[in-house]
Amino acid sequence: GAGVSQSPSNKVTEKGKDVELRCDPISGHTALYWYRQSLGQGLEFLIYFQGNSAPDKSGLPSDRFSAERTGGSVSTLTIQRTQQEDSAVYLCASSLTPGQGAGELFFGEGSRLTVL
Amino acid sequence: GNSVTQMEGPVTLSEEAFLTINCTYTATGYPSLFWYVQYPGEGLQLLLKATKADDKGSNKGFEATYRKETTSFHLEKGSVQVSDSAVYFCALSDDQGDTGRRALTFGSGTRLQVQP
Repeated sequence: GAGVSQSPSNKVTEKGKDVELRCDPISGHTALYWYRQSLGQGLEFLIYFQGNSAPDKSGLPSDRFSAERTGGSVSTLTIQRTQQEDSAVYLCASSLTPGQGAGELFFGEGSRLTVL
Repeated sequence: GNSVTQMEGPVTLSEEAFLTINCTYTATGYPSLFWYVQYPGEGLQLLLKATKADDKGSNKGFEATYRKETTSFHLEKGSVQVSDSAVYFCALSDDQGDTGRRALTFGSGTRLQVQP
């Protein structure tokens, strides 16, 4: 497709279970971001991938969170031993190489995670 | 660090009313400024942007002027429509130095409800 694709769109899980969220960025976009949107909160930066460089993990809230990006394209965000406070909408975005497009990010529709 | 402060919502207006959503920022250097919009059931999308002081971004009848002296980027529209009902996010982009990461720092969002 032409846009950023995320799956699943909704995920309900039990506390303590692991979840994986997938993001397929726009073809040709080398930069990929994960953000978290909690109810009533702004977007919280989680992690950033740029080409083959080491990812910027400075926004990950705990070591239960990890992400990988295979082949410079699809990314998976993994949350281990989920907690209720992990409930949020997880947004993926992609963009052209930093320095081009002055920071315009293209977002997916998000994956809504509910931890019971 | 960087931060963005938006007026709290929801903002409820009648159709054809004048809209202002306030946004102020704190940043080092000279950031680029953005307004993103999230329509119901859709991902965030760029509404407009400004990359330097005194620039005016405009799109779909919305405008915002980059005011360095007041560190503001208020969003305005002269006559809102029901279809403008959405959540609006102010954001800034500040190059992260050596990494080249143009991270976006978002405000908490302002929900606009336009009634017919």
